[in-house]
Amino acid sequence: GAVVSQHPSWVICKSGTSVKIECRSLDFQATTMFWYRQFPKQSLMLMATSNEGSKATYEQGVEKDKFLINHASLTLSTLTVTSAHPEDSSFYICSARADRNYEQYFGPGTRLTVT
Amino acid sequence: GNSVTQMEGPVTLSEEAFLTINCTYTATGYPSLFWYVQYPGEGLQLLLKATKADDKGSNKGFEATYRKETTSFHLEKGSVQVSDSAVYFCALMGSGNQFYFGTGTSLTVIP
Repeated sequence: GAVVSQHPSWVICKSGTSVKIECRSLDFQATTMFWYRQFPKQSLMLMATSNEGSKATYEQGVEKDKFLINHASLTLSTLTVTSAHPEDSSFYICSARADRNYEQYFGPGTRLTVT
Repeated sequence: GNSVTQMEGPVTLSEEAFLTINCTYTATGYPSLFWYVQYPGEGLQLLLKATKADDKGSNKGFEATYRKETTSFHLEKGSVQVSDSAVYFCALMGSGNQFYFGTGTSLTVIP
């Protein structure tokens, strides 16, 4: 199979702090991963494309200094929400594109609540 | 640009009823099209996909046909079950492999 995990599955943090979310491809390598954001009862919106060993590509309107992405290995991408505010509360989902067949697999998501 | 327009919900059906969820798209080039399902409290799961015009994707009794002439990829199932209750997302994959999702359609099937 092809499994993508995210850690943590949910997190509560205080306003002004930073929180890191990990996305791992457990049994395949992924040069490219994607980060999405989903608001309640709404669709997923692409935030950025993460490529191993290079800078992430951000979608228009996404603040790259606020949402730091690091893709340090072929199985791990991290999203750090810096100086979090309540409006950053959302469901963050990653996907990983398998190098072996270019199929994409989604993680289970991370629910972030900023108080 | 790329975008997906999906039938708004929520949709409530009785068990064994026929299901159609409409999806149309706008895209540059020839995208692959997908239906994903999200069960309560879970992540997205691929339901079916089609990679070129006239292809039919099917899985678990669900079907969708890639119609290039109408830029559509409507999801259908002949007889829904209570266990089909979920949110369904239509999506296309762009040339850079990023996904563009519709707004999702919530389906509730009642016994």
